[in-house]
Amino acid sequence: AQSVTQLDSQVPVFEEAPVELRCNYSSSVSVYLFWYVQYPNQGLQLLLKYLSGSTLVKGINGFEAEFNKSQTSFHLRKPSVHISDTAEYFCAVNGRDDKIIFGKGTRLHILP
Amino acid sequence: DTGVSQNPRHKITKRGQNVTFRCDPISEHNRLYWYRQTLGQGPEFLTYFQNEAQLEKSRLLSDRFSAERPKGSFSTLEIQRTEQGDSAMYLCASSPPGSRQPQHFGDGTRLSIL
Repeated sequence: AQSVTQLDSQVPVFEEAPVELRCNYSSSVSVYLFWYVQYPNQGLQLLLKYLSGSTLVKGINGFEAEFNKSQTSFHLRKPSVHISDTAEYFCAVNGRDDKIIFGKGTRLHILP
Repeated sequence: DTGVSQNPRHKITKRGQNVTFRCDPISEHNRLYWYRQTLGQGPEFLTYFQNEAQLEKSRLLSDRFSAERPKGSFSTLEIQRTEQGDSAMYLCASSPPGSRQPQHFGDGTRLSIL
């Protein structure tokens, strides 16, 4: 079975500062990993995905994530956040059966 | 690509009533998924279809819930005899043919039970 743990439920960060949102996963099979963003009253939008190949994955809106197999982590980073990045971010794993298992989410608060 | 469309966006109903939600996936996507999201949680898988076939149902989907995708295009999710605990955001997603493709989400239907 697969599972996803997002270590922080909320992360406050000042505008233009860097941010890292942490995600750890467990799986008995090879995984595909995703980060989704959810703005208020909207559905989820795919930020980036890791399927195979390079462990550093670049996504939309200046976000990137690094797959670390030995630490079973897939942390999301952005070097300089903007007020428009205020949202909830979900890490997700897709195992062999094509179901996506989501973490509980991390709410990113951008402070002026 | 017009995106995944869900209707209605909001539904308020009294406990005990039946409700039905509709999802129109991206046209070339053959897989369609339903999730439920409660406050402060990530989406939880309910069921999914490949074309018109319903391939899996979560144990979260009690016998009051039923989903259909009669022609392999749009899907409906019906909840009968709604209960307070059914209040949630119901999300639909679709994905193209092929294994383990990223899923594209609609904006959801928010259900409030009075």
